[in-house]
Amino acid sequence: ETGVTQTPRHLVMGMTNKKSLKCEQHLGHNAMYWYKQSAKKPLELMFVYSLEERVENNSVPSRFSPECPNSSHLFLHLHTLQPEDSALYLCASSQDPQQGFLQETQYFGPGTRLLVL
Amino acid sequence: TQLLEQSPQFLSIQEGENLTVYCNSSSVFSSLQWYRQEPGEGPVLLVTVVTGGEVKKLKRLTFQFGDARKDSSLHITAAQPGDTGLYLCAGPAVSNDYKLSFGAGTTVTVRA
Repeated sequence: ETGVTQTPRHLVMGMTNKKSLKCEQHLGHNAMYWYKQSAKKPLELMFVYSLEERVENNSVPSRFSPECPNSSHLFLHLHTLQPEDSALYLCASSQDPQQGFLQETQYFGPGTRLLVL
Repeated sequence: TQLLEQSPQFLSIQEGENLTVYCNSSSVFSSLQWYRQEPGEGPVLLVTVVTGGEVKKLKRLTFQFGDARKDSSLHITAAQPGDTGLYLCAGPAVSNDYKLSFGAGTTVTVRA
């Protein structure tokens, strides 16, 4: 495997279910990100992890719970979601966010298409 | 967070035609990036523009950063079906350089 992989690619869940999204990066990067992409809206940054520590939480509801057990893996645990949470959830990684924007390129995974019924 | 507006929202053209998409803001950006997102995939970085007035070319794609660094454009010459996708512009948010502020994107469809 190369780049950034995400599983599952598609997920349908009810509002009372608990599920987890998984992201794995094979690039040796130190930072990982979760984004939400809804139709006709800009990508929304949800969480940022740098060296396995959470450095950003963009006022995301507690029904979304991230976990970063090591620098290669990132999870997003989901519980009691709402229909408006249906979206494409994208994971990304970058080498070192402390280097700043110009030195950083974020590499995105293919996303998990989530539908909450 | 600085806002980026992209226009048009949708664009459908015939193969061989030219197209231009725009990214505008009321704020000054130190730099801007353009991404292309193909159906079923994540965004892929195409280019970063840094200097006001800068023009960069990537094969048939020409990217321009406005003199005032508040806007950018992407021009595609002789579009091909492989150019189909969602084109996103992004720039650094105010407080943290590594945080990206994205536009909503322009969906481009090139018909064969």
